[in-house]
Amino acid sequence: KQEVTQIPAALSVPEGENLVLNCSFTDSAIYNLQWFRQDPGKGLTSLLLIQSSQREQTSGRLNASLDKSSGRSTLYIAASQPGDSATYLCAVTGGGNKLTFGTGTQLKVEL
Amino acid sequence: EAGVTQSPTHLIKTRGQQATLRCSPISGHTSVYWYQQALGLGLQFLLWYDEGEERNRGNFPPRFSGRQFPNYSSELNVNALELEDSALYLCASSAPRRIEAFFGQGTRLTVV
Repeated sequence: KQEVTQIPAALSVPEGENLVLNCSFTDSAIYNLQWFRQDPGKGLTSLLLIQSSQREQTSGRLNASLDKSSGRSTLYIAASQPGDSATYLCAVTGGGNKLTFGTGTQLKVEL
Repeated sequence: EAGVTQSPTHLIKTRGQQATLRCSPISGHTSVYWYQQALGLGLQFLLWYDEGEERNRGNFPPRFSGRQFPNYSSELNVNALELEDSALYLCASSAPRRIEAFFGQGTRLTVV
């Protein structure tokens, strides 16, 4: 059974800081890994998708890496802004197109 | 281009009643997924529909069911509602032969 863990569970940083969110998964037989953002009480916004054959993806200030063999992914956020405050979720896609989610990292970027 | 749309936004039901949640996928997407996000439990996979057929099901009791219509929209039905069914229900869709999922804003179901 796939298990996804995210560390830290919560993070508070001052504006402008670079930060790293971590995600680990137990079964390396995945099709891809996605990072999502969720604002309170809202749906999920897809940030980055890394195919299992890829090592990293970049979008603006976001960079995500994937090491499938070790079961790890990191999301790097450069020059954080208050608007980045949200919960960040990683999810891996396994058999049956099922997404298994981590429990998320709640990020607060303070002025 | 419209994203995944879900209705209603909020739904309040009494224990024992039935709830019906609706989802319209992104135009051109043929797969629809349902997830439950209950407080403290994280996001749990419920159902996957593709081309009108149920393709995969999560570890939920049979009172959670659904269907996909010829226009690829989908309904999630929850029978005999229990207090523990209170959650945010998220629908997602994906394009043919693609796995990347795009999510809607969810339906907040409250069972009282």
